[in-house]
Amino acid sequence: GQSLEQPSEVTAVEGAIVQINCTYQTSGFYGLSWYQQHDGGAPTFLSYNALDGLEETGRFSSFLSRSDSYGYLLLQELQMKDSASYFCAVSDSNYQLIWGAGTKLIIKP
Amino acid sequence: SQTIHQWPATLVQPVGSPLSLECTVEGTSNPNLYWYRQAAGRGLQLLFYSVGIGQISSEVPQNLSASRPQDRQFILSSKKLLLSDSGFYLCAWSTGPYEQYFGPGTRLTVT
Repeated sequence: GQSLEQPSEVTAVEGAIVQINCTYQTSGFYGLSWYQQHDGGAPTFLSYNALDGLEETGRFSSFLSRSDSYGYLLLQELQMKDSASYFCAVSDSNYQLIWGAGTKLIIKP
Repeated sequence: SQTIHQWPATLVQPVGSPLSLECTVEGTSNPNLYWYRQAAGRGLQLLFYSVGIGQISSEVPQNLSASRPQDRQFILSSKKLLLSDSGFYLCAWSTGPYEQYFGPGTRLTVT
């Protein structure tokens, strides 16, 4: 079967750094994407990795290791507005995304 | 720039009633279109996707159906709603394998 595993909840302090891990097992793999979803809102695209390594976009970075079927999203200088759910998703060969169940990020002042 | 519209924003329908949700995309041609459903506190479940007019693929057998009458229009329908159809319905478009862009969603409550 196809599955993605990510922690259900992560808690961090404002101004700190947090890492959200994602491991996957899928039949096809074109890349790993990350999405942010605030309560009541729609998911918004954050970043993707098609190749191994680190991709940086402002305060957010995403990492991929295809040999380990593993990736993570790194959020730096956490702000209260970063409180949201974060989803990893794998692109398969049919331009579909296979989604993880999401990680709820709780930020404390 | 591209925009995606989805309506209505919220909907309360009785069991057994029909459903029609509409999604339209502007500013892009021949996008891939998707319908997802999300239960409270859960991930996204792909319901249907379309790579072109009249081309619909169903991921989950159910009492829902989808149609794509125009290039940038995607419609989700049901003839008779079930309680289990309640959820947050999201339409999305893409032109590549990694990024999908979502509409604001429709929160459906079946009573």
